[in-house]
Amino acid sequence: TQLLEQSPQFLSIQEGENLTVYCNSSSVFSSLQWYRQEPGEGPVLLVTVVTGGEVKKLKRLTFQFGDARKDSSLHITAAQPGDTGLYLCAVAPGGQFYFGTGTSLTVIP
Amino acid sequence: KAGVTQTPRYLIKTRGQQVTLSCSPISGHRSVSWYQQTPGQGLQFLFEYFSETQRNKGNFPGRFSGRQFSNSRSEMNVSTLELGDSALYLCASSLGLVQGRTEAFFGQGTRLTVV
Repeated sequence: TQLLEQSPQFLSIQEGENLTVYCNSSSVFSSLQWYRQEPGEGPVLLVTVVTGGEVKKLKRLTFQFGDARKDSSLHITAAQPGDTGLYLCAVAPGGQFYFGTGTSLTVIP
Repeated sequence: KAGVTQTPRYLIKTRGQQVTLSCSPISGHRSVSWYQQTPGQGLQFLFEYFSETQRNKGNFPGRFSGRQFSNSRSEMNVSTLELGDSALYLCASSLGLVQGRTEAFFGQGTRLTVV
């Protein structure tokens, strides 16, 4: 059983569109991270959220941690081709990292 | 400061051979984790080392092993390579839990192809 479920698994959109990806769990976490991975490279940390209900913004990316700290969402406004990649959420209870199943995003120019 | 360095970046091996991959973590990071990534399988956890001790291990056969040195550098070894071992192998370093939170910093990975 996967600790973190992400949806959708694949997303292909036109440049300029908005999108939201989700990361869900039945467990409560003290913090959650989002990463973006480009083909052939390692994941790069985007943000860490730690407080229930917290919203963090990174340019056109908005991250939210659920009130109960069981889920999170990533919203991208006016997507650009440079946003293309695999988006992963992750938690680290006890120090060991668990990654979500990932959302593969393709932004078409 | 320097990021996580993995060597080599690319490797081609023959079935039955063995391979050793290296990972140098960010200075000061004592935790090093290894992952296997294949299309459609996501990031599969191999093992984690902290201060030279293996703390956690994923569900991989004994052909996969690792170690960590006193300077926190880590190596992983795969013996008797199989075609299915072809994958991107990623190493991540972290400080460990600090006030209930921790973050992983990844290297660029080693692309292993078994032929």
